[in-house]
Amino acid sequence: ETGVTQTPRHLVMGMTNKKSLKCEQHLGHNAMYWYKQSAKKPLELMFVYSLEERVENNSVPSRFSPECPNSSHLFLHLHTLQPEDSALYLCASSQDYRDTGGNTIYFGEGSWLTVV
Amino acid sequence: SQELEQSPQSLIVQEGKNLTINCTSSKTLYGLYWYKQKYGEGLIFLMMLQKGGEEKSHEKITAKLDEKKQQSSLHITASQPSHAGIYLCGADIPGNTGKLIFGQGTTLQVKP
Repeated sequence: ETGVTQTPRHLVMGMTNKKSLKCEQHLGHNAMYWYKQSAKKPLELMFVYSLEERVENNSVPSRFSPECPNSSHLFLHLHTLQPEDSALYLCASSQDYRDTGGNTIYFGEGSWLTVV
Repeated sequence: SQELEQSPQSLIVQEGKNLTINCTSSKTLYGLYWYKQKYGEGLIFLMMLQKGGEEKSHEKITAKLDEKKQQSSLHITASQPSHAGIYLCGADIPGNTGKLIFGQGTTLQVKP
């Protein structure tokens, strides 16, 4: 138990569907992250939120839409995805975004997404 | 751009054997993090190293950061099946505040 909870753990969706991934952290952290993990690739940072404000958007296609209603919750809204978007999506949090050297990031269990 | 290279990419060891995984950066690291991941699951934080020459241990796992802060090693003593998984190193980089970049991971299998 890392204090970061993701739902659903597994999701299968068609290319025309709209679905959302949810993340909740119980650590009192101020920063939350979405990472994508594809087979044989390093983890890719997608979005960073600090105090509910988006501070990073790493050239992610608009079919991925993040939402951070408060510092404890983070969503990733998905629509018209492609099969190549199938991957493990990991949510994470850390105490702050601006700290360097010691800003440990804690990850959730991940949501396995399959686009058919 | 900054990259982290892990070696080996995969490793199979007999239970009870020692092993070492390396993580090398092309640039000086602010902080180096080791995580363990079971296939299809989230990353579990193991250790974080900040200072050159620093060494930390947790149970049978020891991580070191070299003096130049460009390479880290993760050493497992007397490996057990519970050590099996994917080990990832992540790094803070100067100018990359708050974000980690990751190596590609090292997959460890421990044969009973």
